[in-house]
Amino acid sequence: DAKTTQPTSMDCAEGRAANLPCNHSTISGNEYVYWYRQIHSQGPQYIIHGLKNNETNEMASLIITEDRKSSTLILPHATLRDTAVYYCIVCSFGNEKLTFGTGTRLTIIP
Amino acid sequence: DAGVIQSPRHEVTEMGQEVTLRCKPISGHNSLFWYRQTMMRGLELLIYFNNNVPIDDSGMPEDRFSAKMPNASFSTLKIQPSEPRDSAVYFCASRGTGAIQPQHFGDGTRLSIL
Repeated sequence: DAKTTQPTSMDCAEGRAANLPCNHSTISGNEYVYWYRQIHSQGPQYIIHGLKNNETNEMASLIITEDRKSSTLILPHATLRDTAVYYCIVCSFGNEKLTFGTGTRLTIIP
Repeated sequence: DAGVIQSPRHEVTEMGQEVTLRCKPISGHNSLFWYRQTMMRGLELLIYFNNNVPIDDSGMPEDRFSAKMPNASFSTLKIQPSEPRDSAVYFCASRGTGAIQPQHFGDGTRLSIL
């Protein structure tokens, strides 16, 4: 599976949109982009995934560039409870194995 | 939906002892995964099962580690004998049918080997 690159850490003010970038320049055509987050002392939590179209659910939006080499996870109105480590993972269709990198530590500031 | 249930939440034991971690996946899910998380190595996949059959155990660190899934609603990860370097948080996850279904994680077992 393609490797991903994320910033080590980011801050965002409470109530603002948090935009978390991810680079996956070697992504291939059958690979999906998944986002998970891990709040302190909890297991990773699935957020959203996409192939090439933008996706939105109750938690977040995922914007994938047209060339699919990068994506952005958007938390539209960040709250303190969104403070967590966010993982961007690229995984091919049918591949059961997720490879977690170091992620982005997002801190929401009151 | 009860989610993935792991037990115990915390385990402290002395080196050399046998440790058994337990996991109940989400009902109806047919894939189950065991992960280990440490500060040094991050989150690593140890083994996963599909329809109760072990598919890939390449992440199991050594023969002291073993995992079983006797039925669709229960799995164990056993360490015998345990060593201090096994101290970590161990997560179990399950996934439903369908190639792009996400994994759902339990809250982990924090294991300390003294």
